[in-house]
Amino acid sequence: EAGVTQFPSHSVIEKGQTVTLRCDPISGHDNLYWYRRVMGKEIKFLLHFVKESKQDESGMPNNRFLAERTGGTYSTLKVQPAELEDSGVYFCASSQVDREYTGELFFGEGSRLTVL
Amino acid sequence: AQKITQTQPGMFVQEKEAVTLDCTYDTSDPSYGLFWYKQPSSGEMIFLIYQGSYDQQNATEGRYSLNFQKARKSANLVISASQLGDSAMYFCAMRAWGTGGFKTIFGAGTRLFVKA
Repeated sequence: EAGVTQFPSHSVIEKGQTVTLRCDPISGHDNLYWYRRVMGKEIKFLLHFVKESKQDESGMPNNRFLAERTGGTYSTLKVQPAELEDSGVYFCASSQVDREYTGELFFGEGSRLTVL
Repeated sequence: AQKITQTQPGMFVQEKEAVTLDCTYDTSDPSYGLFWYKQPSSGEMIFLIYQGSYDQQNATEGRYSLNFQKARKSANLVISASQLGDSAMYFCAMRAWGTGGFKTIFGAGTRLFVKA
């Protein structure tokens, strides 16, 4: 069974440019989460999809961030325009809806974003 | 507000010895789960162990055990017989399913170094 995959693994862009990160969850996982970790800080929750619906987007920092989940399958996270403070590692995780209380999250390897 | 605190940025342990990684949490929800994840240098997040707030016994998974002290709101991870492959970042996490919704929040992590 394929795990959570994220693309790209590393992206270097200049301030003001746009970047789109993609996440493919484990097949059959309706829950999809985006997280971000800035160096040395906690892994911060960004948002949560259940299928194609945004269940909780309370962690999205501002309107420069746009997340979508087309057809309840893969998800994209677009940052436009990117700022220096957006640098960090963006993790995607998925889980089964029937284990959303006690089940663990399955993570991708993260997309490292560097904004110069 | 919900919060996870890991006060040890880095820890050293001698191979074959036991080590305790500290984690305290804060939530007003009576129902919650506590998780530990390992992040090796390769970047992927690996689930280690889970403890439910109503579980009477401490969780154990192989060499990992969770020292759950509910009154003190602590959920320390104990790794017995450390191995060189245990060198990694370790994250404590919590999911509270009352006001917390279904999002999982993480601490800042503890980097463990196992010495030969």
